[in-house]
Amino acid sequence: SQQGEEDPQALSIQEGENATMNCSYKTSINNLQWYRQNSGRGLVHLILIRSNEREKHSGRLRVTLDTSKKSSSLLITASRAADTASYFCATDEGGSYIPTFGRGTSLIVHP
Amino acid sequence: KAGVTQTPRYLIKTRGQQVTLSCSPISGHRSVSWYQQTPGQGLQFLFEYFSETQRNKGNFPGRFSGRQFSNSRSEMNVSTLELGDSALYLCASSLERQGGTEAFFGQGTRLTVV
Repeated sequence: SQQGEEDPQALSIQEGENATMNCSYKTSINNLQWYRQNSGRGLVHLILIRSNEREKHSGRLRVTLDTSKKSSSLLITASRAADTASYFCATDEGGSYIPTFGRGTSLIVHP
Repeated sequence: KAGVTQTPRYLIKTRGQQVTLSCSPISGHRSVSWYQQTPGQGLQFLFEYFSETQRNKGNFPGRFSGRQFSNSRSEMNVSTLELGDSALYLCASSLERQGGTEAFFGQGTRLTVV
């Protein structure tokens, strides 16, 4: 079963624009992770945010977490063509420490 | 530091056969998890091994099994292959229990069942 669900399913933007993806989940979590996957390859870990954190930054990435709304957002600023990939959020089903993934957001950044 | 290594990268098998996939985690990582990724179902958790013990298991039939060795390397076995088993199989390793810290993924093994 999918715990995290990303929105939108697909996003197409121009280079230099910001991209925002959202993730909603159903049950309590210990942490939430964002991953990137280039076509047909392995997942690359981007950021882990714990349930007691509200915001984290890493380079051009900004992740927020709102546990009251059971949602998280990933913002990529000043996007580049190389950011074209699928982005997944993964949440651990409260207490089990097993990350379950959403179906991902497919991001296309046009040069 | 070497990343997670999965072998083989690509595999073609016939229905009814069995297959074994291998995963070498990052040195020092004790948790290894396996996922199946298909266009229709997305990323589905198969199982997690921690210090040679299966700690968690997803909702897959008994044809899917795995094990972990004392050096943390893990293998996944699928018996009596079905066409629907065609997928990208991903292995992830983490320092502690999966989910507690960042998980690092291998490039995956692309299995095609014909």
